[in-house]
Parts: sequence; structure tokens; C-alpha cells
Amino acid sequence: SSELTQDPAVSVALGQTVRITCQGDSLRSYYASWYQQKPGQAPVLVIYGKNNRPSGIPDRFSGSSSGNTASLTITGAQAEDEADYYCNSRDSSGNHLNVFGGGTKLTVL
Amino acid sequence: QVTLKESGPVLVKPTETLTLTCTVSGFSLSNARMGVSWIRQPPGKALEWLAHIFSNDEKSYSTSLKSRLTISKDTSKSQVVLTMTNMDPVDTATYYCARINAYSSSPWFDPWGQGTLVTVSS
Repeated sequence: SSELTQDPAVSVALGQTVRITCQGDSLRSYYASWYQQKPGQAPVLVIYGKNNRPSGIPDRFSGSSSGNTASLTITGAQAEDEADYYCNSRDSSGNHLNVFGGGTKLTVL
Repeated sequence: QVTLKESGPVLVKPTETLTLTCTVSGFSLSNARMGVSWIRQPPGKALEWLAHIFSNDEKSYSTSLKSRLTISKDTSKSQVVLTMTNMDPVDTATYYCARINAYSSSPWFDPWGQGTLVTVSS
């Protein structure tokens, strides 16, 4: 099996930069994808692959990876970025399984 | 425009079997390298991947729930069905379906359906 570990909560001052991290053995082999979820809404993809943003996602969102850690960086956080963020990766078992991190609650101060 | 919509019962009793349907539009279930996943989220908790199915009928299931899950598709109806047996109150959650893109070895989910809340209670 595989686990992805995220910090439960992170805060950032308005306009500042914040990094949300995700750790797991599977991240040595696969890229993480990142999802933003606001209260009462379905998750929305914000980053996938090496560092790709879907259409409509602001360029202040970026992704990176090193070793067993994937990171989502928001450069110049806005009030509307306050949300839960989840990382996801393929399982490292070699099977086509999938796993989510526990989520990070981002507060914009 | 690609959309997915979940449908099914809002309330099931313990020990019953849950059947959820995901109806997709804007893409075909026969599209190679794409499929549909089911993901759930208990109230106030994290997302949990359950299963996925691809155009070639390849299926994968969560290790912890594999014995209770069955995923299938009807390409002609653009529907993917998930059944979960022996429902328990801990299975109370919002159930989402999402398109899974597997153009690389690191797949992603986009877009997602709106989700459907299923409550397990007698």
C-alpha cells in the first residue's frame, strides 16, 4: 500500500507565497496531482504532471517535486485561494491503484 | 463540455447494497487512455479513492474495499456503475465520480461530478 502525508493546516498572509507539501514513497516514481476544494463544492484539479495547470487555473499555482515530496506553491495568495488542498498519486505497488493525501486546510490571513 | 453526474439513493440501510450511477457527457467511455473513477468523502474528512474503469474494461479497486466493490460500464449509455455491498454507517459520505486521464503514468482526475451524499442509517 501507499500513503501520502500532508500537513493538516497552513496559513499565509494575503499576497504572500505559500508551499503545501505532500510526502510519500510513490512520489519517487510518479507525479502528484493537486485538487482544491472549497466548502460544499466538488474538488477542482489545479496541478497535474510535472507542473501543468488546467485551463482557467491562475498561474500563481505551480507544482514541483523532489525525492519523496511533492509541493504545491501559491505565489501571491488571494483570499479566494482559502480552501482544502489534496494531493493524489498512483500507488507505488505497481498496480493501477490510487491514493489521496489527508488534505491541507489553507487559511489566507 | 465534459460533465459527469452521479445518481443513486440518498439513504440506504445497514447491510444493504448501494448502487450508484455516473452519467457522462462530452466524452466517450470508449476513449483510450481515459476512464472514470469513483471517490468518496465522509463528512468533514478526506477524499478516498475507491475504484476506476478504463475503456478497455481494465478495473482497479481500493485494496481495503476491494471485496465490497464492483465497477462496470455501459458505453452505449455513457454510464459507469459502482456497487458497494454490506453498507455500514461509516460508509456515509459524498460519492463523486471523476474522469481519470491516463495519458501518462501519473494520472489525474478532471473534471469531477457534483457528488451525491449517501447516508447509511436504519
